[in-house]
Amino acid sequence: GQNIDQPTEMTATEGAIVQINCTYQTSGFNGLFWYQQHAGEAPTFLSYNVLDGLEEKGRFSSFLSRSKGYSYLLLKELQMKDSASYLCAVMDSNYQLIWGAGTKLIIKP
Amino acid sequence: DTEVTQTPKHLVMGMTNKKSLKCEQHMGHRAMYWYKQKAKKPPELMFVYSYEKLSINESVPSRFSPECPNSSLLNLHLHALQPEDSALYLCASSQEIQGPIPTEKLFFGSGTQLSVL
Repeated sequence: GQNIDQPTEMTATEGAIVQINCTYQTSGFNGLFWYQQHAGEAPTFLSYNVLDGLEEKGRFSSFLSRSKGYSYLLLKELQMKDSASYLCAVMDSNYQLIWGAGTKLIIKP
Repeated sequence: DTEVTQTPKHLVMGMTNKKSLKCEQHMGHRAMYWYKQKAKKPPELMFVYSYEKLSINESVPSRFSPECPNSSLLNLHLHALQPEDSALYLCASSQEIQGPIPTEKLFFGSGTQLSVL
């Protein structure tokens, strides 16, 4: 079966750095996406990785290791507005998105 | 215009009602999607339209009926829903459903929060 695992909830302090991990087992691999979703709102795209390595975009970076079936999202200089759920999704060999359950990130002052 | 517009934003309906959710995009995207999302759960794919043809139907009950009148519009017709169908219904679009380099991200609408009484 296909499976995406990520922690259910994480807590971090404003101004700090947090890393949200995602491991996956899917039928084929055509890329991994990270989305941010605030409560009651639609997901918004953060990053896409298809090759191994680190992709940096401002305060957010995403890393991928295909051999390990592993990715992480790194958030730096945390702000209160970063409190949200972060969804990891993998595109399988049929180009369908397999979604993780999401990680709820709580930022404390 | 990089938006996916969904209407209405909120909908309350009884189990005998018939209603429709609407979705519109003007980005020239050829793939459009309906997702259902329960609180604290990831989005669940319901339907995918590619070039205005239904390409994926994820075993969704017939009380949900999708329609794609043209390349910019996607509707979801609702009839005889159950209370457990209450959820956030998200429309999304992408350039293509498949491709050699699937770099196209999904653009999501803001969703319709549906409550079935």
